Amino acid sequence: ETGVTQTPRHLVMGMTNKKSLKCEQHLGHNAMYWYKQSAKKPLELMFVYSLEERVENNSVPSRFSPECPNSSHLFLHLHTLQPEDSALYLCASSWGLAPGDEQFFGPGTRLTVL
Amino acid sequence: AQSVTQPDIHITVSEGASLELRCNYSYGATPYLFWYVQSPGQGLQLLLKYFSGDTLVQGIKGFEAEFKRSQSSFNLRKPSVHWSDAAEYFCAVGAGSGYALNFGKGTSLLVTP
Repeated sequence: ETGVTQTPRHLVMGMTNKKSLKCEQHLGHNAMYWYKQSAKKPLELMFVYSLEERVENNSVPSRFSPECPNSSHLFLHLHTLQPEDSALYLCASSWGLAPGDEQFFGPGTRLTVL
Repeated sequence: AQSVTQPDIHITVSEGASLELRCNYSYGATPYLFWYVQSPGQGLQLLLKYFSGDTLVQGIKGFEAEFKRSQSSFNLRKPSVHWSDAAEYFCAVGAGSGYALNFGKGTSLLVTP
């Protein structure tokens, strides 16, 4: 595997389910991100981790819970979601947190909440 | 706070024609500017970026962009579009505070034969 991978690619869940999204980067980067991409809205930054420490929590509801066990892996734990949470969830990584550090994106997980 | 506007939601061009996608930003100082492309079912891929120096930036896949401070613009161009260029294009701006990129809503490019 190369770059940034995400699993699963598609997920359908009920509002009472608990599921997790997984992201893995094979680039040796130190920072990882979760973004939400909804139709007709700009990408929304959700969480940022640097060296496994959370540095940003962008007013995200508590039903989204991130976890970064090491610099290569990032999880997004989901519970009691709402239909409006249906979106494409993108993971990204970068070497560091400098403004010019390019962010490399995974293919995303398409989430549908019924 | 910085913001990004992409005025065109959809653009249709013929294969072989030239392309220009518009991006306007709002930021007090010189921003860090990026163009990303997203093909269906894919994540975002960086086309090019501008931080300083030469205002005409060359990117991958034959794309270029020009930073115009006086117009607060960073428009993306390509002289001859290929059918494989059909995708969603996002302009993004980063500020001196670091990692937080602000993305525009995107422009969807359709290429006709």
